[in-house]
Amino acid sequence: GDSVTQMEGPVTLSEEAFLTINCTYTATGYPSLFWYVQYPGEGLQLLLKATKADDKGSNKGFEATYRKETTSFHLEKGSVQVSDSAVYFCALWRGGADGLTFGKGTHLIIQP
Amino acid sequence: NAGVTQTPKFRILKIGQSMTLQCAQDMNHNYMYWYRQDPGMGLKLIYYSVGAGITDKGEVPNGYNVSRSTTEDFPLRLELAAPSQTSVYFCASNKRGLADSYEQYFGPGTRLTVT
Repeated sequence: GDSVTQMEGPVTLSEEAFLTINCTYTATGYPSLFWYVQYPGEGLQLLLKATKADDKGSNKGFEATYRKETTSFHLEKGSVQVSDSAVYFCALWRGGADGLTFGKGTHLIIQP
Repeated sequence: NAGVTQTPKFRILKIGQSMTLQCAQDMNHNYMYWYRQDPGMGLKLIYYSVGAGITDKGEVPNGYNVSRSTTEDFPLRLELAAPSQTSVYFCASNKRGLADSYEQYFGPGTRLTVT
């Protein structure tokens, strides 16, 4: 079945550091890929998405490129802020009627 | 628009009790979903619905039931609550049929503890 694997957390960085959160997936066909963010006490919000190979999703300074050859969708940001502290989920969707397949989430902590 | 709303925010149940988690959306979305999120884990799909009157099981449906009598509402019923159902429950929805309809919109969640 489909699966998403992302790096374990928590990931602790200093403000203005470079961020990478790794995400790899296993799925048949050509899934769409997503990064969702969950701030404390809130539901998930879509951060960015990519629907085909070599697409780059971007939002709020975050970027991720859909790499079919490595089945990866790593999240990056050049300079993180304290306000980026949250849990980040990588997810895929194969296009059926059912829902998304999520990774376990990566807790990101940014220290001033 | 209020988006996706869920009630209650928190609930403590005793083993064997029943309850209904409410979910509503005002975006005229045809697809709705229930997920559970356990500590350190991703979200697991419980049930989903593609429209009023149509529901189907997800990955972890045991111990739950759903109904979809209207487009707006998608309640989740827990019968005979068990400690294994202690979790945070998220409702989500999206509009299918549009070009950019992949995004799922999530409610704020219901934190349920069964003791």
